[in-house]
Amino acid sequence: GNSVTQMEGPVTLSEEAFLTINCTYTATGYPSLFWYVQYPGEGLQLLLKATKADDKGSNKGFEATYRKETTSFHLEKGSVQVSDSAVYFCALRGSTGANNLFFGTGTRLTVIP
Amino acid sequence: GAVVSQHPSWVICKSGTSVKIECRSLDFQATTMFWYRQFPKQSLMLMATSNEGSKATYEQGVEKDKFLINHASLTLSTLTVTSAHPEDSSFYICSAREGSILHGNQPQHFGDGTRLSIL
Repeated sequence: GNSVTQMEGPVTLSEEAFLTINCTYTATGYPSLFWYVQYPGEGLQLLLKATKADDKGSNKGFEATYRKETTSFHLEKGSVQVSDSAVYFCALRGSTGANNLFFGTGTRLTVIP
Repeated sequence: GAVVSQHPSWVICKSGTSVKIECRSLDFQATTMFWYRQFPKQSLMLMATSNEGSKATYEQGVEKDKFLINHASLTLSTLTVTSAHPEDSSFYICSAREGSILHGNQPQHFGDGTRLSIL
């Protein structure tokens, strides 16, 4: 079956620090992989995605590379800002069936000045 | 971009009442809508998938008589929590997918969520 395992938080970093949030997955077929962000009091927003192996998704300075050999999709940012404080969800969409999303547990990031 | 409006954003009500949550796709037609529930410190769990004009498909463990889903048009799906109790308190999020059921790779767009608190 499909599942996502995400690094548990919370994560607290100083501004301009390097961020890595680990995400690994289990899936049949060829899933698409996503990172969603949830800012305080808001709903989910798509941050970036990758639809096939070796693809790199990027947005707002965040990057994640679809690694089929390690079944991973780790989220990275070289220099975080206070405004990046949010909950980050790794998600997978299977290549068959209803195409709903499977989410990781979410990682709360707090960036302090 | 595609916008999904979810209403209300926050509701507090007494135990035993029923609560309806609306999910609207504002600028696109959504053949398929999904309802998720988010428990504190846990991930989003899919509750059900609704396709316009047909009965919703519920995930295992979700009571369909408790969580009534209606997807009467291509732009509106509703979730009604019937006879709500404190254990139903949670954050509910809907998402809508553009296009027909054949276009499974279309992106999902999320509403802002509804925080339901049952006293």
